[in-house]
Amino acid sequence: SYVLTQPPSVSVAPGQTAKITCGGINIGGRSVHWYQQKSGQAPVVVIYYDTDRPSGIPERFSGSNSGNTATLTISRVEAGDEADYYCQVWDSSADRVFGGGTKLTVL
Amino acid sequence: EVQLVESGGTLVQPGGSLTLSCAASGFSLTSNFMSWVRQAPGKGLEWVSLIYDGGSTSYADSVRGRFGTSRDISRNTLFLQINNLRAEDTAVYYCARDQIERGSSWYSHWGQGTLVTVSS
Repeated sequence: SYVLTQPPSVSVAPGQTAKITCGGINIGGRSVHWYQQKSGQAPVVVIYYDTDRPSGIPERFSGSNSGNTATLTISRVEAGDEADYYCQVWDSSADRVFGGGTKLTVL
Repeated sequence: EVQLVESGGTLVQPGGSLTLSCAASGFSLTSNFMSWVRQAPGKGLEWVSLIYDGGSTSYADSVRGRFGTSRDISRNTLFLQINNLRAEDTAVYYCARDQIERGSSWYSHWGQGTLVTVSS
């Protein structure tokens, strides 16, 4: 089945930009969705279809997807952005595939 | 307002069985795909099962044959039956509303999760 690879952790200072990557073979040919999961809470979608942002998600969150890498970018990082982030795609076998998750630490 | 509320998680002995429930409100299960997603302690998200709007189902290889997904349309409630429980089934189980559009699938709404612990 399809495999998504994320870095286990990313650290960034407040006010800086965080980039969280999601690697997969020709992932640019698929739609990628991103979820934020804060400690003890259920996941929440922050980006869907590579670049779309649900209502209520700050414009600081954006996404891109090309080649073998999709990227979630968080601009002007705040302490409240500290969370685990997961990418997800739909595999042709009808499976839903998640990346291993990236822990974002705000220094 | 869309709401998903799971229940039924508990401590179970290895080899036991359990049924989880997910009560949905604000939308109809017959018009939506629904998934169960689990998360072992300290681990990532793992898709477990899918029930299509028509009622057919699909399962991850890791649970096929032991897990069963069903629904009660009159109660707008989703179920996950888990048989022959193993220690590795210990996890928080989430139900999620599965949005199928534009050749892909994503989860627009999640429940709060229910914890299943498998231990003797």
